[in-house]
Amino acid sequence: AQSVTQPDIHITVSEGASLELRCNYSYGATPYLFWYVQSPGQGLQLLLKYFSGDTLVQGIKGFEAEFKRSQSSFNLRKPSVHWSDAAEYFCAVSTGGGNKLTFGTGTQLKVEL
Amino acid sequence: GAGVSQTPSNKVTEKGKYVELRCDPISGHTALYWYRQSLGQGPEFLIYFQGTGAADDSGLPNDRFFAVRPEGSVSTLKIQRTERGDSAVYLCASSLTASGGFNEQFFGPGTRLTVL
Repeated sequence: AQSVTQPDIHITVSEGASLELRCNYSYGATPYLFWYVQSPGQGLQLLLKYFSGDTLVQGIKGFEAEFKRSQSSFNLRKPSVHWSDAAEYFCAVSTGGGNKLTFGTGTQLKVEL
Repeated sequence: GAGVSQTPSNKVTEKGKYVELRCDPISGHTALYWYRQSLGQGPEFLIYFQGTGAADDSGLPNDRFFAVRPEGSVSTLKIQRTERGDSAVYLCASSLTASGGFNEQFFGPGTRLTVL
C-alpha cells in the first residue's frame, strides 16, 4: 500500500522568506501526487498536482513542486512567503482506483511578520 | 456556484448514541468521497461512491460505520453506537467522476464530531 511521509510537523518562516515543505512517498510506480492547503474553518484546497511529464509543476498562489523519482519526493516550494500562507499543508498520493487519496500527516506553517 | 456543503458543522453526542452526518456535493458531480481527520493527522479515506453505489468502502473502520447515497447526490454517513475514538472531523469531497483519469476532488468544510 502507498504511504506519504511529511517529516516536518511545524515550520516557521519569516514573511518574504523562501519556503520548502518536504514530502516523501512510498509506492512501486509513479503515483499521482498532490499538495493541499487547509486553513482554519476552510475545506482542503488543491494547490497543485503531478501526473506525468515535466517534473516541475506550478500551482496556485505562487506555489510550485518538484517531483524527484530517485528520491521518491515531491517537495513544495514558494520563493517568497506571505502572511496569508499560514495554514496546514498536506501532501497526498493517489494510485488510481477511484482516485481515493492517501494523505501525509501535514505540516503546520507559521509565518512571522 | 455552491461548493460542497456538510451538515451539521459540529455535532456533540454521547457514547453509544447514533449519529448521521450529511454531505451535499457539487451539482453534477457523480463521485463522492468520505474521509476522517483525527487530531494531528491527515485525512484518511473511508468510502467513495460512483453514482448511487459504494464503489470502495475499504476504509470504513468497522461495521458501526455505514454510508448511503440513494439518489446519487446527497450522502449520509451513519455511525452506530458511537465511541470516544470516533471523535474527529469528517470530510466529504466530490468530483465529476471517479473514473477515466484523475478528477479534482472538492472538499467541504467538514463536520466536527465529538463523542463524550
